[in-house]
Amino acid sequence: KAGVTQTPRYLIKTRGQQVTLSCSPISGHRSVSWYQQTPGQGLQFLFEYFSETQRNKGNFPGRFSGRQFSNSRSEMNVSTLELGDSALYLCASSIGTSGANNEQFFGPGTRLTVL
Amino acid sequence: GQQLNQSPQSMFIQEGEDVSMNCTSSSIFNTWLWYKQDPGEGPVLLIALYKAGELTSNGRLTAQFGITRKDSFLNISASIPSDVGIYFCAGRLHYGGATNKLIFGTGTLLAVQP
Repeated sequence: KAGVTQTPRYLIKTRGQQVTLSCSPISGHRSVSWYQQTPGQGLQFLFEYFSETQRNKGNFPGRFSGRQFSNSRSEMNVSTLELGDSALYLCASSIGTSGANNEQFFGPGTRLTVL
Repeated sequence: GQQLNQSPQSMFIQEGEDVSMNCTSSSIFNTWLWYKQDPGEGPVLLIALYKAGELTSNGRLTAQFGITRKDSFLNISASIPSDVGIYFCAGRLHYGGATNKLIFGTGTLLAVQP
């Protein structure tokens, strides 16, 4: 069974630009969550989607948005990029939204560098 | 952002030694998880704990869900070079509804010298 895939793996953008990251969950998984990882703040929750609906959102500005499609694939978008948005963006998928044995499996991440 | 207190921050050990790390929180969790992250990769789930007091093993790894539900520890026995990496604890919160939101610890960097 293929794992979580994220594209692209690496991305370089300049301040003010926008970026879209893509995530394909494990087959059969309907929940997708996004996390930002930086040396200073560690791993921080961005948002969570299930059945095309955002179920939970972390404490990030409105420049960060996401969506989920009917095939459970998800995208996240960051507009008006700032230097501080440089990070590893991780996507995680799980079967559902609660309960035991519903744990999240992470993709390899997209390394975003903002110049 | 919110992070759990994880200690130690780093460990440098000899191959064959046992390792212990722990994680504490000011909040109660329903689920405690332990992940390992290698450079350039996403975290890989090692152990999941669902009940206070639960002790679970996965090969040379053993983890426990604290009785107070505010802490957890991970032990690695007889360490080998491939144990090198960053270990993260994570807690899952339930605000009366289902959620997959994880709060992660600050991480423990483990280096193993052959």
